[in-house]
Amino acid sequence: QVQLVQSGAEVKKPGASVKVSCKASGYTFTSYGISWVRQAPGQGLEWMGWISAYNGNTNYAQKLQGRVTMTTDTSTSTAYMELRSLRSDDTAVYYCARGLNWGWYDYWGQGTLVTVSS
Amino acid sequence: SYVLTQPPSVSVAPGQTARITCGGNNIGSKSVHWYQQKPGQAPVLVVYDDSDRPSGIPERFSGSNSGNTATLTISRVEAGDEADYYCQVWDSSDAVFGGGTKLTVL
Repeated sequence: QVQLVQSGAEVKKPGASVKVSCKASGYTFTSYGISWVRQAPGQGLEWMGWISAYNGNTNYAQKLQGRVTMTTDTSTSTAYMELRSLRSDDTAVYYCARGLNWGWYDYWGQGTLVTVSS
Repeated sequence: SYVLTQPPSVSVAPGQTARITCGGNNIGSKSVHWYQQKPGQAPVLVVYDDSDRPSGIPERFSGSNSGNTATLTISRVEAGDEADYYCQVWDSSDAVFGGGTKLTVL
């Protein structure tokens, strides 16, 4: 069965960076992309970007350009999302989700809580 | 940027029909996907490409899309359907989510 398993919760100080992992199993990793979606406490879903696991092409949300980097490691079927220069309003649950570019997200990771606090 | 507008809340009695709307400029020209999210859980895809259901999603969940409004319809609502629902489209190169609708089962 398809599974996306994310790394554990993180606590970071403002200005620091965080890197969240998402390990995929149960399907051919390179046949799909991975998107990252975050959800601030009590708020809605915010799309952060997408990476093709086939060729590494990326598409980032404009508001995060320059602060976010998405990568994949096909040898371990793992996707990564790094967010730099963290601010308090980056505090959120970060989800990875499987999907094709221009498509829907049919499987989601369990979420990773990132707390940014001094 | 493209904006999707959802009502913050919808309430319905068990056994009745819930309709959750998602408004956007000429949204009928786009493919709309819907997600259900229960407290403390990751979202679950319930409808894709306007009206298709993933395997395992009950037939009670259906979708439509025309003009400036897409609609998720849940027939014969059950207590277990109480959740937040989000619509999603693609605009240019970005995915866009609606603000979400909290469905309350009375």
